[in-house]
Amino acid sequence: QVELVQSGSELKKPGASVKVSCKTSGYTFTNHPLIWVRQAPGQGLEWMGSINTNTGNPTYAGGLTGRFGFSLDTSVSTAYLQINDLKAEDTALYFCARGYGNVFDAWGQGTIVTVSS
Amino acid sequence: EIVLTQSPGTLSLSPGQRATLSCRASQSLSNSYLAWYQQKPGQAPRLLIFGASSRATGIPGRFGGSGSGTDFTLTISRLEPEDFAVYYCQQYSWSPLTFGGGTKVEIK
Repeated sequence: QVELVQSGSELKKPGASVKVSCKTSGYTFTNHPLIWVRQAPGQGLEWMGSINTNTGNPTYAGGLTGRFGFSLDTSVSTAYLQINDLKAEDTALYFCARGYGNVFDAWGQGTIVTVSS
Repeated sequence: EIVLTQSPGTLSLSPGQRATLSCRASQSLSNSYLAWYQQKPGQAPRLLIFGASSRATGIPGRFGGSGSGTDFTLTISRLEPEDFAVYYCQQYSWSPLTFGGGTKVEIK
């Protein structure tokens, strides 16, 4: 069955970096884009962007700054979200999801990133 | 950016009742590129409906989607206890992809 398993919760200080992983299984990794979605505490869902798992080409939502980066390791069917120079407003639950066209038909369990001094 | 406005914010209903959730887009969505997701506390969202009216794999028949243009509806014909959750619509006609603010369906 299709599974996306994310890395565990992170507690970071402002200015630090974090790298969240999303390991997939149960399907051909390169057949579907990988999407990242953010959910701030008590808030709704925000599409952060996606990465083409064939080319590695990322697409970022307009509101994301250069502090965010998507990457892949196709040899282990894993996608990564890196956030640099963390700020308090980056505190959120981060989901990866498999793209089916432009809908998201399988999701990781989410990774909580907390930024606090 | 397309803004999706969901209403009501909260729907208080009893098991067995019918739930009708609305999602209105700030611009017309071509090809009815509108999806619905369910999210329970502490869980990831789950895809229910895509293309405005097509049920995703494994979704029970009590969930139905309808609409076109700017107005879309998710209907749950008879609420089961496991259906009490937050529901989000998402448009994929225009970039950036956007979500509505959600409707919470709570037990009355």
